[in-house]
Amino acid sequence: GESVGLHLPTLSVQEGDNSIINCAYSNSASDYFIWYKQESGKGPQFIIDIRSNMDKRQGQRVTVLLNKTVKHLSLQIAATQPGDSAVYFCAEALTGGGNKLTFGTGTQLKVEL
Amino acid sequence: NAGVTQTPKFQVLKTGQSMTLQCAQDMNHNSMYWYRQDPGMGLRLIYYSASEGTTDKGEVPNGYNVSRLNKREFSLRLESAAPSQTSVYFCASSQASGMRYEQYFGPGTRLTVT
Repeated sequence: GESVGLHLPTLSVQEGDNSIINCAYSNSASDYFIWYKQESGKGPQFIIDIRSNMDKRQGQRVTVLLNKTVKHLSLQIAATQPGDSAVYFCAEALTGGGNKLTFGTGTQLKVEL
Repeated sequence: NAGVTQTPKFQVLKTGQSMTLQCAQDMNHNSMYWYRQDPGMGLRLIYYSASEGTTDKGEVPNGYNVSRLNKREFSLRLESAAPSQTSVYFCASSQASGMRYEQYFGPGTRLTVT
């Protein structure tokens, strides 16, 4: 089946810098995308979502960008903090089909002091 | 409001043993899901229940069965455990309506099959 993938398995950033985590998706019919944060030993935690009729959505210190032309999704974290260290997953869905999410393999974000 | 709860947190089984993983949500969500997560990988969908009374196979259903007991509870059963089923299992729930489709996850069950 089609899958969601990530470009970088590990990303190291300095505290206070901005982080950009990338994701490529292959199902052009997907109309809903989510970013999750997973800390060690815990379940994934919802960060932000975006529908395919939008190019950009902002939350608190996070921004998700969607480029449907190249089927690319990114998560930007402003002023990265030590508490942001985690694995980040993107996921895609075709809504109306039981809301099944297809997850990428994840990017490990390491924040250096 | 506990969100999504899972029991047990840890379990060790011998090959061929059976067990049931329990999941409950108190958010009045319609849809519930079971995923497995293997080291260094994303989550793969085992089974899901779009609404009370319905269940459907996901990406990796072989070796598992599920029961949507009521709107709150969704259990996952391993009838004859195999080492390949060693994984972390996550339950999730979602309202799956209107403009909101995000899923909320439980803390996971870490299962080892020897």
